[in-house]
Amino acid sequence: SAVISQKPSRDICQRGTSLTIQCQVDSQVTMMFWYRQQPGQSLTLIATANQGSEATYESGFVIDKFPISRPNLTFSTLTVSNMSPEDSSIYLCSDLRGLDGYTFGSGTRLTVV
Amino acid sequence: AQSVSQHNHHVILSEAASLELGCNYSYGGTVNLFWYVQYPGQHLQLLLKYFSGDPLVKGIKGFEAEFIKSKFSFNLRKPSVQWSDTAEYFCAVRGNGGATNKLIFGTGTLLAVQP
Repeated sequence: SAVISQKPSRDICQRGTSLTIQCQVDSQVTMMFWYRQQPGQSLTLIATANQGSEATYESGFVIDKFPISRPNLTFSTLTVSNMSPEDSSIYLCSDLRGLDGYTFGSGTRLTVV
Repeated sequence: AQSVSQHNHHVILSEAASLELGCNYSYGGTVNLFWYVQYPGQHLQLLLKYFSGDPLVKGIKGFEAEFIKSKFSFNLRKPSVQWSDTAEYFCAVRGNGGATNKLIFGTGTLLAVQP
């Protein structure tokens, strides 16, 4: 079955700093997605990351706060910039294989203090 | 805008009890519907999906879901739960028949099955 390796699995960061989360997939995929899951809330889509183009951000999310890289078809990073305690959340990456084969990373649990 | 509602946030059942988790969506066009499960410490996994055809779909581990278009619902059912079904369950919708490829998730339902 498809595999996404996501790291770090968790981190505790000081406010004002930045954290980069990495996702490595086991085969080439066109589309990757980044989600945030705040405590007690749904998975909210941050952006769609396609290789060779700028990421497409959802309403309420901006590139300056959540820059995304997609250097090739098997890798993507999400940076959470200038963090505040409100950024404490679980961040998940996902990819799409075929019409409906979504695979998810194991998540990064971020705590900002 | 698309949205998904899961009204049961936390469900506690005894083994062998029947399960039904509600999912309602808001979207005017063609939708693809999914149920995902996340067992403690594991990745999200697909339980079942509906694209078209028979509105009653069967998934893994004895789960099934029924798409009722008139009610904008896609409820998940299992006739007899086991302790190993303890997990968080997420309903998700993809609009435009998949043209956008974006999944919109509900808030999740945490199921605890007591032995």
